[in-house]
Amino acid sequence: GIQVEQSPPDLILQEGANSTLRCNFSDSVNNLQWFHQNPWGQLINLFYIPSGTKQNGRLSATTVATERYSLLYISSSQTTDSGVYFCGGGFKTIFGAGTRLFVKA
Amino acid sequence: KAGVTQTPRYLIKTRGQQVTLSCSPISGHRSVSWYQQTPGQGLQFLFEYFSETQRNKGNFPGRFSGRQFSNSRSEMNVSTLELGDSALYLCASSWDRAVNEQFFGPGTRLTVL
Repeated sequence: GIQVEQSPPDLILQEGANSTLRCNFSDSVNNLQWFHQNPWGQLINLFYIPSGTKQNGRLSATTVATERYSLLYISSSQTTDSGVYFCGGGFKTIFGAGTRLFVKA
Repeated sequence: KAGVTQTPRYLIKTRGQQVTLSCSPISGHRSVSWYQQTPGQGLQFLFEYFSETQRNKGNFPGRFSGRQFSNSRSEMNVSTLELGDSALYLCASSWDRAVNEQFFGPGTRLTVL
């Protein structure tokens, strides 16, 4: 089955810094999504991005389907951005292990 | 538009018992998927129901089962609970998971003692 790898596994930023999270998948995925899991466990939708580039405020994402990877950009990070970021998709929706982000004030 | 709802939010059971979790999807969505999240195994796909039929299934034992009703509401059942079943169980709804965005509910946190 499809495998999804996320990097880095952990990230610590100073408030205001920018970051890039990466998601590699072993086979083509036509329903890739990025999520942010809040401290209460709920997965919050960030982007549905099978291909191309999307932006939403300080967040943007790019998926290069032909090269099987997706990037999530966080600019001017805030403490509220802390949490775990997951990417996932595929026939049986495989998720990566996540990137745990901590933004320091 | 109301989001995905799950009940109950928290549950404590003992080994050997069985449990039923409920998920109400976003109005109009016909696909409901269930996931298990544990610290050791991460987020894992359990199964998907679409128009009352199980369309996909992950690699979980037969103790895990589900169903979907005509109003798209779904239930998940776990029989003969084991300690390792302690997890956050998440459900997600979409128009069609294969090609559309999924929206997740708040989850049910199950503790097996």
